[in-house]
Amino acid sequence: DVKVTQSSRYLVKRTGEKVFLECVQDMDHENMFWYRQDPGLGLRLIYFSYDVKMKEKGDIPEGYSVSREKKERFSLILESASTNQTSMYLCASSLRGFLRSGNTIYFGEGSWLTVV
Amino acid sequence: AQRVTQPEKLLSVFKGAPVELKCNYSYSGSPELFWYVQYSRQRLQLLLRHISRESIKGFTADLNKGETSFHLKKPFAQEEDSAMYYCALSGATNKLIFGTGTLLAVQP
Repeated sequence: DVKVTQSSRYLVKRTGEKVFLECVQDMDHENMFWYRQDPGLGLRLIYFSYDVKMKEKGDIPEGYSVSREKKERFSLILESASTNQTSMYLCASSLRGFLRSGNTIYFGEGSWLTVV
Repeated sequence: AQRVTQPEKLLSVFKGAPVELKCNYSYSGSPELFWYVQYSRQRLQLLLRHISRESIKGFTADLNKGETSFHLKKPFAQEEDSAMYYCALSGATNKLIFGTGTLLAVQP
């Protein structure tokens, strides 16, 4: 069974702090994604990575960066947290070309981040 | 531009009533469309995809290219269907674009 694990379920950080959200998947997936989920706005893609050390901006990358040094791990970094980054963050992974191959995208349980 | 629109934030029905969750999309090519579901305190998971043409938990969805719609339907709602439902689209890129979601509440 595919497992996408987000190590921190609940975090409270202060404005201006540097925040790391970690995600690990155990199925050797090439693709990994970070979304944020907000009521009324749905899921919005922040960044995605289709290989180690490769990354592409999603729809809302401002204020975020990512790191993919190993295939199984994809980190989301908030360089200087702000209150408008209070949200639920979802990590996901998939095989490359998953959309045409009958596979799917697998999500983690999410990380609730509150910035005060 | 790729866009997915779910016009209803909340849909409340009684148990046994028919359900239709609306989804419209904007995409110039041939899209692939999906419905994802998130039950309370569970992770987001795939419900169904249009290319599979399958029925999952009694739900079906038909892609209507003329109306650019992919509405999710179930003839008789159950209380356990209460959840947040997201419609999603994939075009040429290897990523999913999600709608804003519809919360389905099935009343006993």
